[in-house]
Amino acid sequence: EDQVTQSPEALRLQEGESSSLNCSYTVSGLRGLFWYRQDPGKGPEFLFTLYSAGEEKEKERLKATLTKKESFLHITAPKPEDSATYLCAVQWGATNKLIFGTGTLLAVQP
Amino acid sequence: DGGITQSPKYLFRKEGQNVTLSCEQNLNHDAMYWYRQDPGQGLRLIYYSQIVNDFQKGDIAEGYSVSREKKESFPLTVTSAQKNPTAFYLCATNTEGRDYEQYFGPGTRLTVT
Repeated sequence: EDQVTQSPEALRLQEGESSSLNCSYTVSGLRGLFWYRQDPGKGPEFLFTLYSAGEEKEKERLKATLTKKESFLHITAPKPEDSATYLCAVQWGATNKLIFGTGTLLAVQP
Repeated sequence: DGGITQSPKYLFRKEGQNVTLSCEQNLNHDAMYWYRQDPGQGLRLIYYSQIVNDFQKGDIAEGYSVSREKKESFPLTVTSAQKNPTAFYLCATNTEGRDYEQYFGPGTRLTVT
């Protein structure tokens, strides 16, 4: 069964304590992997798209990487405003549909 | 100001009533999507439309209906047949081509009692 698994479910960091979130997938024919940030009660905000193994993208304190079976979202020196749920989704085959993981709830304490 | 608007932000209904959630976009995107989000679960696709006057069922279409009469609008009706309608509903559109990106609206939280 095609699926997307995110870990950990929740992560608590101290301000400045770098870490990584994981997104593993089992779909075949990956067309793209997407990272979103979602604040409570709001719609997901697009962060990155990764298309092929080895690709990396950065935005401020966030860096996303992709291998053949998983993606990592690295957070360097996080700040409290980085607290949110981070969602991963994959697009595969001939469809534009996405499969979403359940997200990682990140809390950064000052 | 371009984007996706959803209204209302909060919606309360009694069990047995149909309710329609609005989604409007001015991004000139062809494709539009409706997702449902429940605690502890990933976003699940309800319906999607790739072009005006055409739409397809997603993974959890039972108890829902949609229409796509205009490019800008993709309303979702939650019918009384939907067993667990209380959820956060998200509308989305996507760009086309190599730089595919899917954008979401602010969501509507529906509570049915």
